[in-house]
Amino acid sequence: QITLKESGPTLVKPTQTLTLTCTFSGFSLSTSGVGVGWIRQPPGKALEWLALIYWDDDKRYSPSLKSRLTITKDTSKNQVVLTMTNMDPVDTATYYCAHQLKYVGAFDIWGQGTMVTVSS
Amino acid sequence: EIVLTQSPGTLSLSPGERATLSCRASQSVSSSYLAWYQQKPGQAPRLLIYGASSRATGIPDRFSGSGSGTDFTLTISRLEPEDFAVYYCQQYGSSPEWTFGQGTKVEIK
Repeated sequence: QITLKESGPTLVKPTQTLTLTCTFSGFSLSTSGVGVGWIRQPPGKALEWLALIYWDDDKRYSPSLKSRLTITKDTSKNQVVLTMTNMDPVDTATYYCAHQLKYVGAFDIWGQGTMVTVSS
Repeated sequence: EIVLTQSPGTLSLSPGERATLSCRASQSVSSSYLAWYQQKPGQAPRLLIYGASSRATGIPDRFSGSGSGTDFTLTISRLEPEDFAVYYCQQYGSSPEWTFGQGTKVEIK
């Protein structure tokens, strides 16, 4: 059974850096074809893809946020970490991590999400 | 950049009725990489359909997907009470690699 869970601060100040951790079980990020992505959703709004990392350390970023994002993996700990710099109130959202198989292209298993508020 | 436009924004239907949701892409999308998700309030999205027409594990057969090129459709043959939710389409393959539509809310009439 695949599960993912996001963790990190619930409140950050403007200009600070956000660090979120996705801890997963039921699969290995060293298995060919496997990826973990991050998607966010501002309150009452649509989903927005942020970043994704594959088993081979191939990293993909949303072009609009690329300069602010870094995604890394720790295969031994079954974790994926997303950092987002220079946080702004418009970055207030629920942040999800999700499992993906590269040949499918869809996110088949999602974490419960973690709400992050950006406010001074 | 591929933009996905979903219509209608809100669909008001009664249980037992048929729901037809549209997702139109600004450029051609590979059918292999068009997905649909369901999201209920306070919950994470759930994958329903991938590859435009393949149901994900455990998804009832009242959900079906179709389409190609720039026009895709999610059909719910007979709405059950638990189907009232927001539905998103998503494409994969063109920068930005993963794009979501703005969502269609299916509400009880």
